[in-house]
Amino acid sequence: EPEVTQTPSHQVTQMGQEVILRCVPISNHLYFYWYRQILGQKVEFLVSFYNNEISEKSEIFDDQFSVERPDGSNFTLKIRSTKLEDSAMYFCASSELVLGPDTQYFGPGTRLTVL
Amino acid sequence: AQRVTQPEKLLSVFKGAPVELKCNYSYSGSPELFWYVQYSRQRLQLLLRHISRESIKGFTADLNKGETSFHLKKPFAQEEDSAMYYCAPLIQGAQKLVFGQGTRLTINP
Repeated sequence: EPEVTQTPSHQVTQMGQEVILRCVPISNHLYFYWYRQILGQKVEFLVSFYNNEISEKSEIFDDQFSVERPDGSNFTLKIRSTKLEDSAMYFCASSELVLGPDTQYFGPGTRLTVL
Repeated sequence: AQRVTQPEKLLSVFKGAPVELKCNYSYSGSPELFWYVQYSRQRLQLLLRHISRESIKGFTADLNKGETSFHLKKPFAQEEDSAMYYCAPLIQGAQKLVFGQGTRLTINP
C-alpha cells in the first residue's frame, strides 16, 4: 500500500539556521498538508497546498515558513530562520480528492530540534 | 472558534471491558468527523470517519449533533488497542483537520 514518506526522520539545527523538511506524498494525491506537534501539545494545522499554491494557512504559518512542490513528487516545508519554539514533530499529509472531505494520509513525521 | 475537546488525557481499562473515548466539538456547519489512531512508534492513521459509517477493528462512533459529540466506542477492548487516539473534525473548504489533544488508551491484561 502506498504511503507518505518524510525525510529526515530527525533534524537538529542551530537557532537562526534554515531548514527544509521533505515529503513525498502518495503519487495520485492532489492535496498536500503540513501539521506540527510540539511535545505534549495538540497536532496543529500549518498549511494546505493544492494546484501549486497555498489554499489555507494558519496563523502559525508566518513569513518564516514557505512550502514548495519543486518537482512532480516532493513537497517541502522551509523554515527560513529557526527559533527555539519551532522544535516540534512535523507531519506531512496528502489526500486524493479535491471536492468534499477526504481522508488525509500522514507521513511518519520529522522531529525538528532547534538548539 | 472551532474547538475539539477530548476530556480524558489518559484512559485505562482491562482487556475485555468496554471502552468509550469521548469527543466533543464546537464548530458551525456540518463537519466531517474523523478518529485517527497512533500506535507506538507508528504514524497517525485513520481509524474511522463518520461518513463511511464503518466499524474498524471493532470500533464505532456515532455523531450526536444535539450534543455535538462523536464518541468512540468498542464493546470489548483488546491489548492491541493500546494507542493514542485523536478526534479530528475536518473544516470543509479549508480542508484542514482540527485535532483534539488526544487520549492515551491503555488496555491492561
